[in-house]
Amino acid sequence: NAGVTQTPKFRVLKTGQSMTLLCAQDMNHEYMYWYRQDPGMGLRLIHYSVGEGTTAKGEVPDGYNVSRLKKQNFLLGLESAAPSQTSVYFCASSFPLVAGKNIQYFGAGTRLSVL
Amino acid sequence: GENVEQHPSTLSVQEGDSAVIKCTYSDSASNYFPWYKQELGKGPQLIIDIRSNVGEKKDQRIAVTLNKTAKHFSLHITETQPEDSAVYFCAASKGLQGGKLIFGQGTELSVKP
Repeated sequence: NAGVTQTPKFRVLKTGQSMTLLCAQDMNHEYMYWYRQDPGMGLRLIHYSVGEGTTAKGEVPDGYNVSRLKKQNFLLGLESAAPSQTSVYFCASSFPLVAGKNIQYFGAGTRLSVL
Repeated sequence: GENVEQHPSTLSVQEGDSAVIKCTYSDSASNYFPWYKQELGKGPQLIIDIRSNVGEKKDQRIAVTLNKTAKHFSLHITETQPEDSAVYFCAASKGLQGGKLIFGQGTELSVKP
């Protein structure tokens, strides 16, 4: 039982390059999320999805796009990377709210540097 | 929108002492408050949570308290151990579709043997 798997684990990009981060979950969760983690700023929601084929913007969506073509996968794309996108990216997944609770399960993260 | 402030940003305690981390939230409609622990090189993991209809919840050495009037909640860890060293995040949610969580800035807890 792998849980939430993120690939790649590390990546270095040059300004202007593009890349896609992949998140896969094997828990049959409906909801999936992409966060970025920066020092002193906690976890900030980039985009999220409440089901296959749906996506929505979070707190910091600019410069990112996402797709949820399959229930188990959630892709985060950077079309033209900028140094401000240097961060650690986390994917998470959860079931829909149960008794008002949303327990999110996180992947191990992708460390991205944009030079 | 919701804003969650977390203090302190770093906390160092001796093994066996207690540790307290505090969070305040801005949106009175928030009704779910989880705490996550992030160990080095790993993703955050839920350790305890509380809903707004409860004032306190305990699970062995950890407890969370909630003051809805003051809009703040706290994590208490008693009898700290070196393996408690990690970054802790509080979060708040209004329980809307998508279950979005707004996280605090994080507290780096160091437990010295």
